[in-house]
Amino acid sequence: KAGVTQTPRYLIKTRGQQVTLSCSPISGHRSVSWYQQTPGQGLQFLFEYFSETQRNKGNFPGRFSGRQFSNSRSEMNVSTLELGDSALYLCASSLGTGFYGYTFGSGTRLTVV
Amino acid sequence: EDKVVQSPLSLVVHEGDTVTLNCSYEVTNFRSLLWYKQEKKAPTFLFMLTSSGIEKKSGRLSSILDKKELFSILNITATQTGDSAIYLCAPNRAGTALIFGKGTTLSVSS
Repeated sequence: KAGVTQTPRYLIKTRGQQVTLSCSPISGHRSVSWYQQTPGQGLQFLFEYFSETQRNKGNFPGRFSGRQFSNSRSEMNVSTLELGDSALYLCASSLGTGFYGYTFGSGTRLTVV
Repeated sequence: EDKVVQSPLSLVVHEGDTVTLNCSYEVTNFRSLLWYKQEKKAPTFLFMLTSSGIEKKSGRLSSILDKKELFSILNITATQTGDSAIYLCAPNRAGTALIFGKGTTLSVSS
């Protein structure tokens, strides 16, 4: 079956612009989580959606937002980009929490110049 | 606040060496612990541990969980250059998403 698909794979944006990233989970998975990965910081949790509802949110500014559609596809948006937003953005899908594994997409590499 | 600490943060070994990676955690609503390997982009799943003291094995990799002392270890025997990667652990909590440690970067030289 198809894995987790993230688009685009690479993105270069200018400071102040906004960006939208997309994640299509594995068919049947209703949970989608987003992570930001930078060197030295590991994977930092952004937010998690389950059945179109945001269940949890990490400690990121309000410039970071997301949503989930009825087909479980999710998007995250970053407004007013800053240089420090340059990172690998990963999404992971799962059937649920606790005793389910998470499958990751290949990520979107965002560079802000 | 939930936290995950991995050690060492980086490790350089020679092919054939055995390595032990550590993961300690303090989280609420703990259900299981996951290990991932990240080579280029997508972390790939290695193990899910749910019970203390039961070793899980996959080839040269093995892992065990201690729920009393709140830690897990990942062992890799007879390391190969293909084992070079970032190894991530993540406690799996009920009702919320995974949180990760900073990872251990393993470099295996030939």
